[in-house]
Amino acid sequence: DAGVIQSPRHEVTEMGQEVTLRCKPISGHDYLFWYRQTMMRGLELLIYFNNNVPIDDSGMPEDRFSAKMPNASFSTLKIQPSEPRDSAVYFCASSFNAGAYNSPLHFGNGTRLTVT
Amino acid sequence: DQQVKQNSPSLSVQEGRISILNCDYTNSMFDYFLWYKKYPAEGPTFLISISSIKDKNEDGRFTVFLNKSAKHLSLHIVPSQPGDSAVYFCAASSAGANNLFFGTGTRLTVIP
Repeated sequence: DAGVIQSPRHEVTEMGQEVTLRCKPISGHDYLFWYRQTMMRGLELLIYFNNNVPIDDSGMPEDRFSAKMPNASFSTLKIQPSEPRDSAVYFCASSFNAGAYNSPLHFGNGTRLTVT
Repeated sequence: DQQVKQNSPSLSVQEGRISILNCDYTNSMFDYFLWYKKYPAEGPTFLISISSIKDKNEDGRFTVFLNKSAKHLSLHIVPSQPGDSAVYFCAASSAGANNLFFGTGTRLTVIP
């Protein structure tokens, strides 16, 4: 299995631009999670999906952030407009069956976003 | 606000000695705990977990201890090896919840 695949690996953009991060979960996994890693807060959950349906988006910082999962093999996280404080590493993860409880998450290698 | 806390940002240990990484949590509803290991430029990978019905779980050189009354868990690595150098994240979840709460991580450096 190829694991969770994220693209791009690195993204550098200017403040105000739209940014789209992409994720392909492991085939057969029915939970998909978006996390953001910062030095101050560690790994924060932004949103998660079950069977392509958003379940909890309470971690999404503000309306500038949106996420979609149009099918079982693809998800996007969009930031519009981007701001310097959005600079972080964004991880996508997927899991099988019970979600994060009693079922380890499989993470992608992340997208390092820099907003100047 | 942080429900899972790792108060030591870094730890250095000599090769062959024991590494002890600590984690505290505030939510008494948490009943499942995990440790993830992260190398640079990679995503976190699952290392070991423990359910609240246990106070210890061992897997090779890695042992996790859980003290529910103190809301504290620790990861012991014995003996430590240079390849163990990584960032270790503690995480917690509760029954019926499908997400994990992570700490801020501890960077372990094992000195050869």
